[in-house]
Amino acid sequence: QQQVRQSPQSLTVWEGETAILNCSYENSAFDYFPWYQQFPGEGPALLISILSVSDKKEDGRFTIFFNKREKKLSLHIADSQPGDSATYFCAASAHIASSSFSKLVFGQGTSLSVVP
Amino acid sequence: GGIITQTPKFLIGQEGQKLTLKCQQNFNHDTMYWYRQDSGKGLRLIYYSITENDLQKGDLSEGYDASREKKSSFSLTVTSAQKNEMAVFLCASRRGFSNERLFFGHGTKLSVL
Repeated sequence: QQQVRQSPQSLTVWEGETAILNCSYENSAFDYFPWYQQFPGEGPALLISILSVSDKKEDGRFTIFFNKREKKLSLHIADSQPGDSATYFCAASAHIASSSFSKLVFGQGTSLSVVP
Repeated sequence: GGIITQTPKFLIGQEGQKLTLKCQQNFNHDTMYWYRQDSGKGLRLIYYSITENDLQKGDLSEGYDASREKKSSFSLTVTSAQKNEMAVFLCASRRGFSNERLFFGHGTKLSVL
């Protein structure tokens, strides 16, 4: 079963607009949510992350909004640039007290195109 | 900084063939991972290793073997390639176990004829 779901599958915005990428999860034990950015021909790279104790995390033009009650989060990319065109993966993991190891579960990704 | 090197970049195999993908990292990271990326399905964990000679199965381990003989290297074997299979295999590593960023290689693109 898909524990982490992303929508939309693909998104096109104009340069300068705010792109909104959505993510939802099922496991209430998840407490760490990174977003990874992947350009064609490359591996994903960490973009920004949030812990479940926070409801918002900003890093420049990138902001994560987190709603623990609804098990939803979103990535907002303000003033979108053509260079932001990439695939974005939402991921989640649960820190298990009995073990220091936690597996990261990835969503299926959102392909973003920013048109000049 | 460090780098993760995956070889080969492209791999073309025949149905039923045994194929090996290699990954090297110079971060001195303890934990290494193999993910499979299919279009529209995200990244699915095949195998991971938390230290040299350790192997742990992920969600998609059937049909694969892995080997971690050195801390810096992690190899993945497709035991019997499936006809028309096409996917990208991504190797990753991270320093610790939880909430540390993953560093990925550029991937090996597999096509099976």
